[in-house]
Amino acid sequence: AQRVTQPEKLLSVFKGAPVELKCNYSYSGSPELFWYVQYSRQRLQLLLRHISRESIKGFTADLNKGETSFHLKKPFAQEEDSAMYYCALRRGNTGGFKTIFGAGTRLFVKA
Amino acid sequence: DTGVSQNPRHKITKRGQNVTFRCDPISEHNRLYWYRQTLGQGPEFLTYFQNEAQLEKSRLLSDRFSAERPKGSFSTLEIQRTEQGDSAMYLCASSPETGSYGYTFGSGTRLTVV
Repeated sequence: AQRVTQPEKLLSVFKGAPVELKCNYSYSGSPELFWYVQYSRQRLQLLLRHISRESIKGFTADLNKGETSFHLKKPFAQEEDSAMYYCALRRGNTGGFKTIFGAGTRLFVKA
Repeated sequence: DTGVSQNPRHKITKRGQNVTFRCDPISEHNRLYWYRQTLGQGPEFLTYFQNEAQLEKSRLLSDRFSAERPKGSFSTLEIQRTEQGDSAMYLCASSPETGSYGYTFGSGTRLTVV
């Protein structure tokens, strides 16, 4: 069965410190991985996709198939990064297109 | 097009009543998804449509839940004989049919069953 695990419910860092939000997944096929973010009083929105290998708002994430991980990283956290972050897995063509979400990690960046 | 729109934003209902939520996706998106989110949890998949066809339903979707997407445009999610355990945020999202795009979410409908 597909599963997404975010081991930390809360992560608190100081402004300027590096941040890493962990995500591990289990899926026997070829997954597509995403990070979504929800800022206070805003809707859930896509942050980045593994397939695009992009950096958004200074965040990057690398898919490690050997470790089945897709950790989200930023070298220098900003106060505006404080939000709820969800890792998500979408099955590919052979498995339908629904997306499974982790339970989320709340990032709090302290001044 | 202002994105994915959901109505109402909030709904308070008495146990046993029926409720219906509406979702208007981005017009170019063929796929539409319904999720449920409770406090401290990530969104849980309920069902999804490709155009007007309902292609997958979660086991979470009991026979009290029904979703439709007539004509492949807006979608409705109906809950019959609501129970207190149905209290949650109901999220709608849409995506294009092709490509590895993520979802565009609506603001959600918060249901409270009293």
